[in-house]
Amino acid sequence: NAGVMQNPRHLVRRRGQEARLRCSPMKGHSHVYWYRQLPEEGLKFMVYLQKENIIDESGMPKERFSAEFPKEGPSILRIQQVVRGDSAAYFCASSPPGGTDTGELFFGEGSRLTVL
Amino acid sequence: KQEVTQIPAALSVPEGENLVLNCSFTDSAIYNLQWFRQDPGKGLTSLLLIQSSQREQTSGRLNASLDKSSGRSTLYIAASQPGDSATYLCAVRPRTGFQKLVFGTGTRLLVSP
Repeated sequence: NAGVMQNPRHLVRRRGQEARLRCSPMKGHSHVYWYRQLPEEGLKFMVYLQKENIIDESGMPKERFSAEFPKEGPSILRIQQVVRGDSAAYFCASSPPGGTDTGELFFGEGSRLTVL
Repeated sequence: KQEVTQIPAALSVPEGENLVLNCSFTDSAIYNLQWFRQDPGKGLTSLLLIQSSQREQTSGRLNASLDKSSGRSTLYIAASQPGDSATYLCAVRPRTGFQKLVFGTGTRLLVSP
């Protein structure tokens, strides 16, 4: 049973380009969460999605960032017109419908975005 | 607003020492608390998860305690080894908006041979 899969693991973009980060949840999981870890900071919640629905995007920057989780395929975090301050590690986590008995989230390895 | 603080920010110890990492949180209305390990450039590995109704959890050389009323958790590592060198993150899952884990900034541990 594969874990949470994120790709690409590393992404380099120039200022103004677009970055697309993908997350495939664990098998049987339909809830996806995105977190961002800025250099020397803790992880911060960005968005919580279920299939075809954004449940909570209170942690998403208001501009340039968007997320989706289509009926088929991975969840995608999209950052338009990237700036240097977007350089960070972006982590995806998943959980099954209704959560686990323990309320645990399962994290991927992260995607590290570097903006030149 | 829930805030999580971890002390110390960095810790360097010789191999074999027993050590304690501290985590404090401001709002005791939590669903659970989880300790993670993060190696440089890697993802998060879950170490221990303590439900709000529990006092402690143990796994091998690791023991995590939770005192919800005082807003504190400790991670105890016995007989530390160089392979324990990593950043240790504490995260709480609040009872409301419970899908939003709130993380501390971590304790960077270095265990020297």
